Amino acid sequence: AQTVTQSQPEMSVQEAETVTLSCTYDTSESDYYLFWYKQPPSRQMILVIRQEAYKQQNATENRFSVNFQKAAKSFSLKISDSQLGDAAMYFCAYRARTGNQFYFGTGTSLTVIP
Amino acid sequence: GAVVSQHPSRVICKSGTSVKIECRSLDFQATTMFWYRQFPKKSLMLMATSNEGSKATYEQGVEKDKFLINHASLTLSTLTVTSAHPEDSSFYICSADPVTSRGTEAFFGQGTRLTVV
Repeated sequence: AQTVTQSQPEMSVQEAETVTLSCTYDTSESDYYLFWYKQPPSRQMILVIRQEAYKQQNATENRFSVNFQKAAKSFSLKISDSQLGDAAMYFCAYRARTGNQFYFGTGTSLTVIP
Repeated sequence: GAVVSQHPSRVICKSGTSVKIECRSLDFQATTMFWYRQFPKKSLMLMATSNEGSKATYEQGVEKDKFLINHASLTLSTLTVTSAHPEDSSFYICSADPVTSRGTEAFFGQGTRLTVV
């Protein structure tokens, strides 16, 4: 079965600084998607960024970028110029292209210090 | 962006009663919807996959007779917690795949906090 591991239960960052959240996964599939979701206190899951495994180029969305290392099965999220509104729980997720199910990591709680 | 509406957002019910939670895709059709359960400060655990017009597929350990899922249309799936007990208190989240997305994205409802007293 696929597993997603987030080894950092909690992280903190100073406002305007950069932080990197780690994620590793295990799969025997060659074609899949990886996601980072943000869950603020409202509990609404919000898509931050998505990476397609067959694309070598790392995905970028404004201040958010990923470092996708397919061979190492690593998918880290970098948040630049951190803002107070970035404070939330962040979940890494995996989804096989041929499957339906999301596999979520255990989450990283990010605190932004003013 | 696409919107998934989940209702109610909060519900308190008495032990032994049943509660229905609705998950609607407001501006797209979804052949597949998913139901998750989330304990405090924990990850989302998939409970079942709901397919329009067919029976839901439940994950191991999830009682299908307790958590009834109906997906009667391309825009609506419901989760009914039957004979609820305090241990069923949790946060329930649905997600839906647009028919056209082919798995590239899913949209989540805002969740339902169920408290059984």
